[in-house]
Amino acid sequence: KNEVEQSPQNLTAQEGEFITINCSYSVGISALHWLQQHPGGGIVSLFMLSSGKKKHGRLIATINIQEKHSSLHITASHPRDSAVYICAVLDNYGQNFVFGPGTRLSVLP
Amino acid sequence: DSGVTQTPKHLITATGQRVTLRCSPRSGDLSVYWYQQSLDQGLQFLIQYYNGEERAKGNILERFSAQQFPDLHSELNLSSLELGDSALYFCASSVGQGGLLSETQYFGPGTRLLVL
Repeated sequence: KNEVEQSPQNLTAQEGEFITINCSYSVGISALHWLQQHPGGGIVSLFMLSSGKKKHGRLIATINIQEKHSSLHITASHPRDSAVYICAVLDNYGQNFVFGPGTRLSVLP
Repeated sequence: DSGVTQTPKHLITATGQRVTLRCSPRSGDLSVYWYQQSLDQGLQFLIQYYNGEERAKGNILERFSAQQFPDLHSELNLSSLELGDSALYFCASSVGQGGLLSETQYFGPGTRLLVL
């Protein structure tokens, strides 16, 4: 079993739809990171979470430390949101990231 | 544009060779992070430097080494290259030493390494 799992692996949505990407982990962590990787390869840091919820524009990230689960929501999705979304958790010692395999999102116009 | 620059953009070399990848952080950022992204293993954290000192170490092979210079740019040295080292190598920077997840990291465009 992978330490960090994401679902779904691939997601196709119509413009305007509400999107949810999930991240579950088995390692004990103090914080979690959501990244966005554009089709050209560039990576953008979206959120860092250690508890609760954060919002930035149309993006919302939540985390439940007890259940070892985080979700990334995109409201009113747009084709420019098409990217791979990757979650990363910090290991128990705070010394290493463990990355999920990524969720590939395609938003169709 | 994140403000983080990496050179070269592409690099093709042969097995057994040694290469150096360079990263210049955003102005004012003291931490530099190195990551490897390969097709079979995805993203992996390699190492973090803060103000010239090693801060955190991830899945970095012994054949790989890094350093951060007084002007805060960083170099990742990859030696005795193998086919499996072919990957995208990203560096990122952040303001302080706060630890891997305590600060926003700004990623460079990456260096694509192909080992033949």
